[in-house]
Amino acid sequence: GAGVSQSPRYKVAKRGQDVALRCDPISGHVSLFWYQQALGQGPEFLTYFQNEAQLDKSGLPSDRFFAERPEGSVSTLKIQRTQQEDSAVYLCASSTYRGNNSPLHFGNGTRLTVT
Amino acid sequence: GNSVTQMEGPVTLSEEAFLTINCTYTATGYPSLFWYVQYPGEGLQLLLKATKADDKGSNKGFEATYRKETTSFHLEKGSVQVSDSAVYFCALSGILIQGAQKLVFGQGTRLTINP
Repeated sequence: GAGVSQSPRYKVAKRGQDVALRCDPISGHVSLFWYQQALGQGPEFLTYFQNEAQLDKSGLPSDRFFAERPEGSVSTLKIQRTQQEDSAVYLCASSTYRGNNSPLHFGNGTRLTVT
Repeated sequence: GNSVTQMEGPVTLSEEAFLTINCTYTATGYPSLFWYVQYPGEGLQLLLKATKADDKGSNKGFEATYRKETTSFHLEKGSVQVSDSAVYFCALSGILIQGAQKLVFGQGTRLTINP
């Protein structure tokens, strides 16, 4: 596709429900990042994939958060037993792998509201 | 650890006014510095970047100079337009994950330009 696509655009979940957020990166992009953006704040790093390998998951806030990218393309961020503090916009970004000069292309994000 | 501090918003200006949005950073080593912009309803887009001290990034009339001595990367534009209304994020590249950028963002500054 022309850009990074995320779905759904909006998600409302009741506290305790599980949710799955999808990211379709730009075709051929090796690197894929997930960021969490709380209201009025800048994005914060969650996790990083290079192809199908999850190389860094140091930003995942708890073991309720899980991300995968099994075929090195589409990625899913899963949040189990959602809590109100999980309410945020979840951003996906991808880039080609050219070292430090690869620009990141962001999707429009999924806005998650936990009630 | 690495961090970015931005001028608090919101900032409201009249069309053709001069714009400065302050950004200072704390980092180990020599990070690259970035400004990202988020227009209403859209994803984050790279506006400009600088990869070493004294570099000047520029795009769409915006400029920012990487000042190592003051650890700053202030965003400036000589004459703003209504279409510049957006949220602006300053960011630095943190720890490299096998060559890929891991961005640390400021909290964002909302800019509104009135006609």
